[in-house]
Amino acid sequence: GAGVSQSPSNKVTEKGKDVELRCDPISGHTALYWYRQSLGQGLEFLIYFQGNSAPDKSGLPSDRFSAERTGGSVSTLTIQRTQQEDSAVYLCASSLESWGNTEAFFGQGTRLTVV
Amino acid sequence: ELKVEQNPLFLSMQEGKNYTIYCNYSTTSDRLYWYRQDPGKSLESLFVLLSNGAVKQEGRLMASLDTKARLSTLHITAAVHDLSATYFCAVASGTYKYIFGTGTRLKVLA
Repeated sequence: GAGVSQSPSNKVTEKGKDVELRCDPISGHTALYWYRQSLGQGLEFLIYFQGNSAPDKSGLPSDRFSAERTGGSVSTLTIQRTQQEDSAVYLCASSLESWGNTEAFFGQGTRLTVV
Repeated sequence: ELKVEQNPLFLSMQEGKNYTIYCNYSTTSDRLYWYRQDPGKSLESLFVLLSNGAVKQEGRLMASLDTKARLSTLHITAAVHDLSATYFCAVASGTYKYIFGTGTRLKVLA
């Protein structure tokens, strides 16, 4: 596609429910990143994919968070048993190679609200 | 662990004035991005600075990088209302990850 696409754009869920957030990177981009942006805060790194593997999961805040990437393309971030502190905007970015070599482009984000 | 601090966090300025946003970081790095974010929108890349002494300019914005001081600045010249947004610096941590500052929310008053 023309840019990084994320869905849904907004999600309201009840505390304790599971949610899945989707990211479609730019076609051909091998690197994919998930970041979280809480209200009034900067971006917090969650996970990095190179192809289908995730060499760095160090930013995932708890074992309720997981992510996968299939076919070197679409990625899904899953949050189980959501808590109110999970409310944030979840941003996905992709780059042709690792971000160290090429620019990363961000999607519009998914705004998650846990009530 | 790399930490990135931006200041000020909030900036309200009159049109036509100049101001500088600062980005300090705690460990050695040689790559830094500046991003702009409008409310409800994603991040737009403004500048990438790849070496000590790098300076980039686009319109009323100029960014510089001093890797020895671990400092980058984003200078605004003769601000206009359209520059109102949140500005983030992002500093490279290793070969693939960037650590973001907390952002500077800029409001330019007509």
